[in-house]
Amino acid sequence: LAKTTQPISMDSYEGQEVNITCSHNNIATNDYITWYQQFPSQGPRFIIQGYKTKVTNEVASLFIPADRKSSTLSLPRVSLSDTAVYYCLVGPNDYKLSFGAGTTVTVRA
Amino acid sequence: NAGVMQNPRHLVRRRGQEARLRCSPMKGHSHVYWYRQLPEEGLKFMVYLQKENIIDESGMPKERFSAEFPKEGPSILRIQQVVRGDSAAYFCASSPPRGVQDTQYFGPGTRLTVL
Repeated sequence: LAKTTQPISMDSYEGQEVNITCSHNNIATNDYITWYQQFPSQGPRFIIQGYKTKVTNEVASLFIPADRKSSTLSLPRVSLSDTAVYYCLVGPNDYKLSFGAGTTVTVRA
Repeated sequence: NAGVMQNPRHLVRRRGQEARLRCSPMKGHSHVYWYRQLPEEGLKFMVYLQKENIIDESGMPKERFSAEFPKEGPSILRIQQVVRGDSAAYFCASSPPRGVQDTQYFGPGTRLTVL
């Protein structure tokens, strides 16, 4: 599995856009990039997945440059309820998910 | 449609006792996965089960841990003779029967504390 590096924590204010970058220099050809969100005392929740270029859904956008050695999760106009830990996972699209320490995003009023 | 359900949400055991953690997958899901999250760490895969079959238990400790997913009823993660190092949050996830590439839906977890 490709090793990932993401910031330990990020602070933001309500209404701002939050961008979390994940580095994965050793990403393999068959690896996908997947982001999960975890609130305190809850299980992770799938946010978005991509392979290359840009993916957008109702929750977030995922930007992946051509070399795929990094990716950026973009959360538009965050609210207090977006305070959570965000995990970047890189690996083949199979069942054995591997979570790192994640990025703790704190949104303030 | 109810999500993945786990019980109990909190479990306290003394060293040497047994812990039984239950997971009911989402309706229509036949794949179940168990993960463990130690304090200050990310979730680590333990085992993948389908009805009456263990597909991959490569993440399970070799001793004291076992898992099952019977034809009827919830999936059970069993920890015998618990030790303090077993204290963690245990999460169950499920996915539809279409294939392992489907999104996994996680339950709220069971927090095990070993005294």
